Amino acid sequence: DIVMTQSPDSLAVSLGERATINCKSSQSVLYSSNNKNYLAWYQQKPGQPPKLLIYWASARESGVPDRFSGSGSGTDFTLTISSLQAGDVAVYYCQQYYNTQRTFGQGTKVEIK
Amino acid sequence: DVQLVESGGGLVQPGGSLSLSCAASGFTFSNCAMNWVRQAPGKGLEWVSSVSSSGSSAYYADSVKGRFSISRDNSKNTLYLQMNSLRAEDTAIYYCAKALGGGYFDDWGQGTLVTVSS
Repeated sequence: DIVMTQSPDSLAVSLGERATINCKSSQSVLYSSNNKNYLAWYQQKPGQPPKLLIYWASARESGVPDRFSGSGSGTDFTLTISSLQAGDVAVYYCQQYYNTQRTFGQGTKVEIK
Repeated sequence: DVQLVESGGGLVQPGGSLSLSCAASGFTFSNCAMNWVRQAPGKGLEWVSSVSSSGSSAYYADSVKGRFSISRDNSKNTLYLQMNSLRAEDTAIYYCAKALGGGYFDDWGQGTLVTVSS
């Protein structure tokens, strides 16, 4: 199985400041035949199901604010919230869909400082 | 609008069985792979199982292989999860999730709670 490791486990950021979450996979999730990274990011607010933010490592889902961006390739990925808003308080998960055994990172809790 | 509505959760004793359903609407169900993802109380997300759009291929996490069985009925727009030999560690909210594209989960249900306890 591909192990996904996120860092940090939690972070506190001031309103309007940048939040950066890292995700590392135990093997590459870049599929060479189409040059796509099989990596997604989700946001989960308390009491709600997860919501898709980013897929193919950097493609923003429809309706997701452009302050959310994804980057990286191969085994190292980043989710950036460029200017944290109060409504962005949540737990964020990365997930690989490179192989049929899908796996998630352990989650990163984002709070307001 | 896409709707995924899970049902069938509840309290079951260790060693028991439970069957979950996910009723889908608002999209072409037969075009999408479907998935079950669970979340133990206060914990992170764990992928449980996936089934292809036709139902011909199914995949399972090692933690449930041999005990859980995923299936679908495209004529009824419904996804199922048969859970046998349940353990305390299977206690979780079970979400059904749709995967239209390459395998990312673009829509999720609200979940159904399964509690395994004596």
